Amino acid sequence: ETGVTQSPTHLIKTRGQQVTLRCSSQSGHNTVSWYQQALGQGPQFIFQYYREEENGRGNFPPRFSGLQFPNYSSELNVNALELDDSALYLCASSSGGTLRGGPDTQYFGPGTRLTVL
Amino acid sequence: DQQVKQNSPSLSVQEGRISILNCDYTNSMFDYFLWYKKYPAEGPTFLISISSIKDKNEDGRFTVFLNKSAKHLSLHIVPSQPGDSAVYFCAASPYNQGGKLIFGQGTELSVKP
Repeated sequence: ETGVTQSPTHLIKTRGQQVTLRCSSQSGHNTVSWYQQALGQGPQFIFQYYREEENGRGNFPPRFSGLQFPNYSSELNVNALELDDSALYLCASSSGGTLRGGPDTQYFGPGTRLTVL
Repeated sequence: DQQVKQNSPSLSVQEGRISILNCDYTNSMFDYFLWYKKYPAEGPTFLISISSIKDKNEDGRFTVFLNKSAKHLSLHIVPSQPGDSAVYFCAASPYNQGGKLIFGQGTELSVKP
């Protein structure tokens, strides 16, 4: 069974640029969630995709956008990068249990460390 | 507004003893709770979960207790091992909010030989 993978591992960008982060979900999972983890904090929910549709969004501006593909992999796009966007970006996949009225355990990838200069 | 709080940033325990990590929450709409362990330079690893209809769930050395009236969650690790040294996050899922997880700030556990 293949776990959640993310690319790239590290990324350095300058303020105002755009970035795309990628995630491959664990086999058998159809739901992908993205989180931002600042230093010393817990992960903050950005949004979730279920079967290519956005299914819930956290308190992040519209310059954070995403996509999910038919194979359930996903991208996170951030436009007009700001210094505060520097963080670890985590992707998690799950089987969409909450959408069937049940618990939904999310399994995380290793993350992408984004530094904005 | 911090809906999930881990008030102890760090905890140090002797190998073989019990580690107790605590978590408090404010939202009564949370119906599913999870604990994750995180090593540096890795993503969080799922440890154990509990539904709001239960008050205890056990998996090997790990037991999670839920006290809904106190809105309090705890993770017990018995016996603690040096390999358990990591940052532990509790997380909660609000009912009917699309699988969103709300995390605490984490507690760094150090298990000394």
